[in-house]
Amino acid sequence: LAKTTQPISMDSYEGQEVNITCSHNNIATNDYITWYQQFPSQGPRFIIQGYKTKVTNEVASLFIPADRKSSTLSLPRVSLSDTAVYYCLVVNDYKLSFGAGTTVTVRA
Amino acid sequence: KAGVTQTPRYLIKTRGQQVTLSCSPISGHRSVSWYQQTPGQGLQFLFEYFSETQRNKGNFPGRFSGRQFSNSRSEMNVSTLELGDSALYLCASSVRGQGQNTEAFFGQGTRLTVV
Repeated sequence: LAKTTQPISMDSYEGQEVNITCSHNNIATNDYITWYQQFPSQGPRFIIQGYKTKVTNEVASLFIPADRKSSTLSLPRVSLSDTAVYYCLVVNDYKLSFGAGTTVTVRA
Repeated sequence: KAGVTQTPRYLIKTRGQQVTLSCSPISGHRSVSWYQQTPGQGLQFLFEYFSETQRNKGNFPGRFSGRQFSNSRSEMNVSTLELGDSALYLCASSVRGQGQNTEAFFGQGTRLTVV
């Protein structure tokens, strides 16, 4: 299973855009890139998933370059409620392998 | 629609005891997976069931077991509890499995404390 590397923590302010880059150098052809968000004492929540290029939904965008060795989650105009841990996963089978995640702290 | 329901939410057990946790997936979801989350090890995969069959298993000792019923509800059992089993146990359901192009829905978890 491809290992992912992402920053341990990031700080931001309300209204700013937050970009979290994840490295997955050993990603395989069948792997999808998936991001989850987790608040304390709650289960992770699916944010977005993509295979290549760009994917956008109502909460985030995911940018994946052609070589797919990295990906960037973009959270537009964050608010205090976006303070959470964000996990980058590479998925292609029936289990999710979570890394340490990135703790994003949004300040007023 | 109703989300993934885990019961109980909190549990305190003594070392050596056994415990059973329950998970009711979203209606129509046939895949149920279990995860253990601790501050030191993070989120770790325990096992996954699909249509009553264990399809995948993580690196946990045999004290951790599970099963899935015909209505897709799942139970996880931990025998001979150890202090290190204290954790948040999360259940996730999905339509056919947490693989490509699919979304996993997590419950709020069961907080197990072993004393």
